[in-house]
Amino acid sequence: AQKVTQAQTEISVVEKEDVTLDCVYETRDTTYYLFWYKQPPSGELVFLIRRNSFDEQNEISGRYSWNFQKSTSSFNFTITASQVVDSAVYFCALLTNAGKSTFGDGTTLTVKP
Amino acid sequence: DTGVSQDPRHKITKRGQNVTFRCDPISEHNRLYWYRQTLGQGPEFLTYFQNEAQLEKSRLLSDRFSAERPKGSFSTLEIQRTEQGDSAMYLCASSLAGLEEKLFFGSGTQLSVL
Repeated sequence: AQKVTQAQTEISVVEKEDVTLDCVYETRDTTYYLFWYKQPPSGELVFLIRRNSFDEQNEISGRYSWNFQKSTSSFNFTITASQVVDSAVYFCALLTNAGKSTFGDGTTLTVKP
Repeated sequence: DTGVSQDPRHKITKRGQNVTFRCDPISEHNRLYWYRQTLGQGPEFLTYFQNEAQLEKSRLLSDRFSAERPKGSFSTLEIQRTEQGDSAMYLCASSLAGLEEKLFFGSGTQLSVL
């Protein structure tokens, strides 16, 4: 069975601070994909980033970066210089050969001006 | 690309009534998913289709739930004899077949069962 754990329920930061969202996953599959999605107050989930299980290279895309460590089954997501518009619920998701994505329960990020 | 659209946005019904939701995926996407989300939780998988074939259905899904995707285009999700525990946001998503494909979500249908 697949499982995704986001231990941080809520995070509050002040604008321009960096913030890291944690994600730990469980799967027996050797091939899988990890995703981060954002759900703003409007409600529609939006894709942010994707990483496959064979590529542990960490990347930076604008203000977003992610740290994938297979040894600890973690896929953490960092927002640099946070902005008020980053306030949303962020979900980590795991996609395996079964074809369905398993989501964590989300981390609510509040960025205060 | 008009995105994934869901109808209605909100549905209020009385316990015991049947409800049906519709999802129109992105036109070139052959996979369509239904998820359910309750407050404070992540989306929970219900079922998914590849073209018109329903490939998987959650074991947690009651027999009162049924989904169809005739002709491999739009999909409907029906809940029969609704219960208060069915109150949730029902999300539809679509993607291109392939393990790496990201999901495109609709805005969801908020169901309230009184």
